[in-house]
Amino acid sequence: GESVGLHLPTLSVQEGDNSIINCAYSNSASDYFIWYKQESGKGPQFIIDIRSNMDKRQGQRVTVLLNKTVKHLSLQIAATQPGDSAVYFCAERYNFNKFYFGSGTKLNVKP
Amino acid sequence: EPEVTQTPSHQVTQMGQEVILRCVPISNHLYFYWYRQILGQKVEFLVSFYNNEISEKSEIFDDQFSVERPDGSNFTLKIRSTKLEDSAMYFCASRKAGYEQYFGPGTRLTVT
Repeated sequence: GESVGLHLPTLSVQEGDNSIINCAYSNSASDYFIWYKQESGKGPQFIIDIRSNMDKRQGQRVTVLLNKTVKHLSLQIAATQPGDSAVYFCAERYNFNKFYFGSGTKLNVKP
Repeated sequence: EPEVTQTPSHQVTQMGQEVILRCVPISNHLYFYWYRQILGQKVEFLVSFYNNEISEKSEIFDDQFSVERPDGSNFTLKIRSTKLEDSAMYFCASRKAGYEQYFGPGTRLTVT
């Protein structure tokens, strides 16, 4: 049967290009933010995190930027590869141990 | 590499029945979580568990839900009387203090 759910925004990029995925979070008291990658049929996989006292953090091929003024988070993926195709979620933590996920963006990498 | 495991991978149950979803977190982790994801939607926080008690829960986690760590390794989510709208993927996660969460592969719950 037909599945019913939110229509995910999709970002299509060419292999080798850089990708930027954006997320707006909801709670100004959130102190920790995470980006997850979710492939079809699997659980979320940690990519990179950032604490609220930072505005930028870099990992291997990934960079997270945090703008607390406008409650905005972005994930930059350098030299995007076909294996990066997945749904990407941002998540925020508040009250120490409560996490809320964003709606997700589907990244489609064209070879 | 250690990983979070979940059983069963797929559970089919009739409306009104009780289900127990099981998780084995990574052995030296201290914080445990349950999330659900309705098909095509975002991941939703249900509950966090630390030091043998619930530390946070969401609005979704009502009296129909309970969690337990019955021994030193398992972490379970019980739904007492399932409803059609409980159909979803349920993910367990665990973490060490100060570190990221590791998610299990999920249990697909289908309520008919």
